[in-house]
Amino acid sequence: GQNIDQPTEMTATEGAIVQINCTYQTSGFNGLFWYQQHAGEAPTFLSYNVLDGLEEKGRFSSFLSRSKGYSYLLLKELQMKDSASYLCAVGDSNYQLIWGAGTKLIIKP
Amino acid sequence: ETGVTQTPRHLVMGMTNKKSLKCEQHLGHNAMYWYKQSAKKPLELMFVYNFKEQTENNSVPSRFSPECPNSSHLFLHLHTLQPEDSALYLCASSQDKGTGANVLTFGAGSRLTVL
Repeated sequence: GQNIDQPTEMTATEGAIVQINCTYQTSGFNGLFWYQQHAGEAPTFLSYNVLDGLEEKGRFSSFLSRSKGYSYLLLKELQMKDSASYLCAVGDSNYQLIWGAGTKLIIKP
Repeated sequence: ETGVTQTPRHLVMGMTNKKSLKCEQHLGHNAMYWYKQSAKKPLELMFVYNFKEQTENNSVPSRFSPECPNSSHLFLHLHTLQPEDSALYLCASSQDKGTGANVLTFGAGSRLTVL
């Protein structure tokens, strides 16, 4: 079966760095997505990786290793507004998105 | 403003009621989606429309009935729902379906409670 695993919840301190991991097993691979979802709001697109390596976008970076079925989202200089759920999703061989259950990130002052 | 608007934001209904959820996008996208989001579970894809044609129905019970009159509007008609159908229903759109970098734009969702 197809499966995406990510931690249920993480806690970090304002100003620090946090890494949210995502491992996947899917039939085929057509890219990995990260979305951010604040409570009561729409999920919003953060990043897309299709090749191995690190994609940097401001304070957020996303890494992919296709051979290991692994990705992480790195958030630097954490701010209180980064408190949200982070959703990992993989496009399978039919370009259908397979979603993880999300990681709730709690930022403490 | 996300570009995808969902109404109503909150809905409470009895098991014998009939109601509809509405989704509207002004992004010029060709594909629209309905997802179900339950606490601590992955997003569940329900229906996909591409150029107004339904391309996927992920074994969704018939008490959920989608309608896509044009590329900008999507409805989810609800009837004789069960309490376990209580969830957040998210609408999304994308430029096209079936491409790699297919970024979804989501609405804020309709929170449904079935009593």
